[in-house]
Amino acid sequence: EVQLVESGGGLVHPGGSLRLSCAASGFTFSSYWMHWVRQVPGKGLVWVSSINSDGSSTSNADSVKGRFTISRDNAKNTLYLQMNSLRVEDTAVYHCVKVTWVGGSAPLDDWGQGTLVTVSS
Amino acid sequence: DIQMTQSPSSLSASVRDRVTITCRASQTIGNYLAWYQQKPGKVPTLLIYAASTLQSGVPSRFGGSGSGTDFTLTISSLQPEDVATYYCQKYNSVPFTFGPGTKVDIK
Repeated sequence: EVQLVESGGGLVHPGGSLRLSCAASGFTFSSYWMHWVRQVPGKGLVWVSSINSDGSSTSNADSVKGRFTISRDNAKNTLYLQMNSLRVEDTAVYHCVKVTWVGGSAPLDDWGQGTLVTVSS
Repeated sequence: DIQMTQSPSSLSASVRDRVTITCRASQTIGNYLAWYQQKPGKVPTLLIYAASTLQSGVPSRFGGSGSGTDFTLTISSLQPEDVATYYCQKYNSVPFTFGPGTKVDIK
């Protein structure tokens, strides 16, 4: 059974930093692209970042470009999101998501429950 | 970047009604279109990929069609357990943009 467990969320002041982690199990982590998707409670889904299977290629939404960095440690089966220069509008639940099949152009399949990031003064 | 729109933003229908949700991409995305269902308080689940392929375990009352820029999600006979918000998403290339969602409830 695929399990994705996020951690690292919390309350941070504007301009601050957080590092989210996602511990993956139940599948061959090193074979799959991974994504971060965020959602403000009661609002829609927003794609944030993606990373290929070996970590050599990453992409970010324009809204977080230059501030967020996605990375992975395949030896530890863990996905990360380093979030710097946080803004109030980054407040959301952040989900770690696995794609359906090996390869980049694949829909999202398994979702973690998410970790809440609150940016407030 | 390609924008994704959905209509309607919400709808209310009776049990056993046929429900149709549309999704439009601002540029062609081939058939790289997925539909997700998000029930209240739950994470999203994949319903349909490649515009029309039902994910394993999804009831056959759900169907998808379209290619290029215009896509449709159909629920052939709405059931109470289908109350949810439905999102489309392009996955041909980054950014993997979601549509704004369509909230479906029972009249």
